[in-house]
Amino acid sequence: QQPVQSPQAVILREGEDAVINCSSSKALYSVHWYRQKHGEAPVFLMILLKGGEQKGHDKISASFNEKKQQSSLYLTASQLSYSGTYFCGGGGSQGNLIFGKGTKLSVKP
Amino acid sequence: NAGVTQTPKFQVLKTGQSMTLQCAQDMNHNSMYWYRQDPGMGLRLIYYSASEGTTDKGEVPNGYNVSRLNKREFSLRLESAAPSQTSVYFCASSVLRGSDTEAFFGQGTRLTVV
Repeated sequence: QQPVQSPQAVILREGEDAVINCSSSKALYSVHWYRQKHGEAPVFLMILLKGGEQKGHDKISASFNEKKQQSSLYLTASQLSYSGTYFCGGGGSQGNLIFGKGTKLSVKP
Repeated sequence: NAGVTQTPKFQVLKTGQSMTLQCAQDMNHNSMYWYRQDPGMGLRLIYYSASEGTTDKGEVPNGYNVSRLNKREFSLRLESAAPSQTSVYFCASSVLRGSDTEAFFGQGTRLTVV
């Protein structure tokens, strides 16, 4: 079953912050975050393996609440280059990787 | 270093025709995946292979078969194409490396079934 992402879409002005949420009804072994630009392949952002783990690079970070089976992606001081569709993926113990439906982020000047 | 290579990039099939989508990775990854992407549906897992010699069904396996030919190659076959299989297909591979398991995606195959 696909993880559920919210919101489905968000529009920001440059410099604004955004949070994208991901929740799963099934136990997650790991949580992956990817970004896809229009017409391109998804590109890896980060993975969180442990409950409570937080990771980040540049101004994009993420957290994973293993107890609630939820993860959030935080985009701080958004840039035009952040525009795209963000996918969270739940990693299973058997090696499968199931993605949510995506959150479309548009950053305007 | 090519990463994940998918062929073909575009394909038009008639209903009932068969075809095989090819995928090869040169990163020595153990795990490989096939996804389809439809508007509003995200990336849906068709089949995956956690290691050479094993394959497992994903979320939407009906109408597809796969072959993990060797560690490098993972092919997806449509035996009798249907219009509902019109989609963009992505192959991906990954490896567990320390605490990171980064999946690399191919550039996709845009398939239209008429």
